[in-house]
Amino acid sequence: EVQLVESGGGLVQPGGSLRLSCAASGFTFSSYSMNWVRQAPGKGLEWVSYISSSSSTIYYADSVKGRFTISRDNAKNSLYLQMNSLRAEDTAVYYCARDPTYYDFWSGYHSIYYFDYWGQGTLVTVSS
Amino acid sequence: EIVMTQSPATLSVSPGERATLSCRASQSVSSNLAWYQQKPGQAPRLLIYGASTRATGIPARFSGSGSGTEFTLTISSLQSEDFAVYYCQQYNNWPSVTFGPGTKVDIK
Repeated sequence: EVQLVESGGGLVQPGGSLRLSCAASGFTFSSYSMNWVRQAPGKGLEWVSYISSSSSTIYYADSVKGRFTISRDNAKNSLYLQMNSLRAEDTAVYYCARDPTYYDFWSGYHSIYYFDYWGQGTLVTVSS
Repeated sequence: EIVMTQSPATLSVSPGERATLSCRASQSVSSNLAWYQQKPGQAPRLLIYGASTRATGIPARFSGSGSGTEFTLTISSLQSEDFAVYYCQQYNNWPSVTFGPGTKVDIK
């Protein structure tokens, strides 16, 4: 069974930092691209960041570019999000979400860019 | 950025009735559209991808249709567990994938 478990959320002051983690199990983590998606309280979903299976390709939403850093440790089956210079508008539940990556013998791994499994989320509150 | 809109914002339906949810893209996304269900306090769950393919374990009462800019999610006979918020997401313009604002399906 695929499981994604986020941790590391909490209350932080504006301008502060926080590191989120996502522990993956039930699948071959190193074969899948991963994402962070967030949801502000009472609002809709916003994609935040993407990392390919080998960490060779990384993308960020414009709203977090230059402030957040995504990374992964395939040996530990873990995904991370380092969040710096936090703002009130970063307050949200942060979900890690798996991309249904497929493998082609000739051309390697390919991401599809939707989200087939989600963690339960971790709440980040930015407030003084 | 591709803007996704959903209508209606809220849909009131009686159990056993059919529900039809709409999603529109500001430009063509081909068939690169997914639907998610989210219940209060829970993570979203993938229902449909490729505009019309049900994800693993999703009941046959959920169906998706459309291509280009107009899409529909139909729930043929609403069950009590189907009352939730439904989001569409385009993934044609990756990595800048975008979600619609959601349609809440509640009990009439």
